[in-house]
Amino acid sequence: GEDVEQSLFLSVREGDSSVINCTYTDSSSTYLYWYKQEPGAGLQLLTYIFSNMDMKQDQRLTVLLNKKDKHLSLRIADTQTGDSAIYFCATLGGSQGNLIFGKGTKLSVKP
Amino acid sequence: EPEVTQTPSHQVTQMGQEVILRCVPISNHLYFYWYRQILGQKVEFLVSFYNNEISEKSEIFDDQFSVERPDGSNFTLKIRSTKLEDSAMYFCASSTGGNTEAFFGQGTRLTVV
Repeated sequence: GEDVEQSLFLSVREGDSSVINCTYTDSSSTYLYWYKQEPGAGLQLLTYIFSNMDMKQDQRLTVLLNKKDKHLSLRIADTQTGDSAIYFCATLGGSQGNLIFGKGTKLSVKP
Repeated sequence: EPEVTQTPSHQVTQMGQEVILRCVPISNHLYFYWYRQILGQKVEFLVSFYNNEISEKSEIFDDQFSVERPDGSNFTLKIRSTKLEDSAMYFCASSTGGNTEAFFGQGTRLTVV
C-alpha cells in the first residue's frame, strides 16, 4: 500500500535552519502536506504543495518537491523555540480527501 | 476562528464496552473524517463521510466501528466492543471538499483497560 516515511527526530539550535525530509510511494498524489502538532493539540496544516510544483515558499517555510525521487522536504528558516513540535508529512490518498501520514518528525529547538 | 471540537478529551473504558467519540465539525464543511494514532505509530485514516454516508474506509474500519451524523452538527464514531488494541488518540477532521484543507480537532485519547 501507499507509504510515507520520515526520520523521527531532529534537533537544531535557535536561529539555525531546520530541514525535515519525507519520502512517499504514491506518485499519483495531487497534493502533499505538512502538518504541525504541538503538545496536547490537534494537527494544524502548515503548508501544502501541488504536485506540479517543485517549490513553494511561505514566509519562513520552504517546501521542496522532487517528484522523480518522491521526496518532499520542509525547510524552516531562523528556527525558533516555538517551532518545537512534531511535523507530519502527508499525501492525499484518495478522491475523498483521506490523508496518508508519516510517523512524524519531532523537532527540538535548543536555545 | 472556527474549529473542530472533540469530546471527551480523554476516555477510559473497560474492554468489551461500547464507546462513542463525539465531534463537532466546522459548520459549513461537507466532508468529515476519523483518524487514529496509536502511541508511537502513524496517524491512520479510518473513514470519510460525505452526503450522509461513508465515502471511503480503511481496513481498520471493521464491523466494530460505525459513524453517524445524528443531527446537523455532530459527527460520532462508535466502537461497539472495545479491545485493548483500540487504545489510541482519535482525531476528527472536516473539510469543504475532497482536495481542500482538512481541519483537525484536538483528539480524544481512548484508553481501553
